[in-house]
Amino acid sequence: GEDVEQSLFLSVREGDSSVINCTYTDSSSTYLYWYKQEPGAGLQLLTYIFSNMDMKQDQRLTVLLNKKDKHLSLRIADTQTGDSAIYFCAESINDYKLSFGAGTTVTVRA
Amino acid sequence: EAGVAQSPRYKIIEKRQSVAFWCNPISGHATLYWYQQILGQGPKLLIQFQNNGVVDDSQLPKDRFSAERLKGVDSTLKIQPAKLEDSAVYLCASSLVFPPGHGYTFGSGTRLTVV
Repeated sequence: GEDVEQSLFLSVREGDSSVINCTYTDSSSTYLYWYKQEPGAGLQLLTYIFSNMDMKQDQRLTVLLNKKDKHLSLRIADTQTGDSAIYFCAESINDYKLSFGAGTTVTVRA
Repeated sequence: EAGVAQSPRYKIIEKRQSVAFWCNPISGHATLYWYQQILGQGPKLLIQFQNNGVVDDSQLPKDRFSAERLKGVDSTLKIQPAKLEDSAVYLCASSLVFPPGHGYTFGSGTRLTVV
């Protein structure tokens, strides 16, 4: 099946860590992705993780994958005002099609 | 490298009218996708092209939507006639390789409002 779920909103204080969670359904997904969308803009690929990995770190971003529970998370360290955006989790279907969640709106407050 | 170009950025039409969107993918990207993003939802794939051939159009409402990619480069997506529920952002994306393991690049989208 193709059903990616994520919480809709997250509010975080500037300088704190943000954690965005996602659950997916297709156990055969080869890749899982996090995209960022700022107002009026397209989707920007933030990071991706191969399904045989359980963690990937890229500067302030840490992705954790629990394949058994089909749970993916994105941690943003030292959250800044520029991190305010909508974050989409996506799983690959049949290796080419992306199935997206509804997005988590992250608001960074001073 | 230039990104995925889309035009127009915004379009307002009345229901039952026709509309067309244009996409120019990143140079050399063989695979092109059209996604529909309804407000408050994640994008949903409408159609995927590999060069000028269709790979997947299973979610394309073929009674009113059509898409083509002549010469395997630019693509147009058409809606005829439009319905109120077609109001959405239409995103074009492209990828260099297939499957696009490392994700693909999206354009800024065309925001369609049907009144």
